[in-house]
Amino acid sequence: GQNIDQPTEMTATEGAIVQINCTYQTSGFNGLFWYQQHAGEAPTFLSYNVLDGLEEKGRFSSFLSRSKGYSYLLLKELQMKDSASYLCAVRANRNAGNNRKLIWGLGTSLAVNP
Amino acid sequence: SAVISQKPSRDICQRGTSLTIQCQVDSQVTMMFWYRQQPGQSLTLIATANQGSEATYESGFVIDKFPISRPNLTFSTLTVSNMSPEDSSIYLCSVESRKDRGHYGYTFGSGTRLTVV
Repeated sequence: GQNIDQPTEMTATEGAIVQINCTYQTSGFNGLFWYQQHAGEAPTFLSYNVLDGLEEKGRFSSFLSRSKGYSYLLLKELQMKDSASYLCAVRANRNAGNNRKLIWGLGTSLAVNP
Repeated sequence: SAVISQKPSRDICQRGTSLTIQCQVDSQVTMMFWYRQQPGQSLTLIATANQGSEATYESGFVIDKFPISRPNLTFSTLTVSNMSPEDSSIYLCSVESRKDRGHYGYTFGSGTRLTVV
């Protein structure tokens, strides 16, 4: 089956660094995405990894190890506005014609405290 | 990135009735995805809609309950039929769109918050 695991909740302090892990088991792999979702809003794109290594974008970085089925999202210099749900999603190859849909993790709810 | 206009943003409906949700994209896209998100939960894919062909539904979702139209490359509708309180949820449409450095990500509409009473 297809499975994506990430912690349910995390808490961190303003100004600190937090790492949100994601492990996946899918029938194929064609990229991993991280999304941020604030309560009552639609998800917004944060990062995309398809090759092993670290992708950095400002305060946010994402890492991928395909051999380990593992990714993490690193948030630096945390701000209160970073309190949100962080969703890990994998695009896995499926039957022809439907291989561009995403498989979603359940999301990690991050609370940033002052 | 594509911009999606989704309507309505919210609605309160009587059980047994139907609601049609619309998504308009500002560019042509091949695939549109319809999701449901229940409170505190992650996204559940309902179906994938290609222009000119029938939508592909995920396990647990059927066309009679969630008919989808995709008349052109910029527009799609999802109807929630014969609603019950269990259909109360947020419904989201999504398209694949180009992000930075040539990568493709997925852009979402703003969502429709449906309450069935």
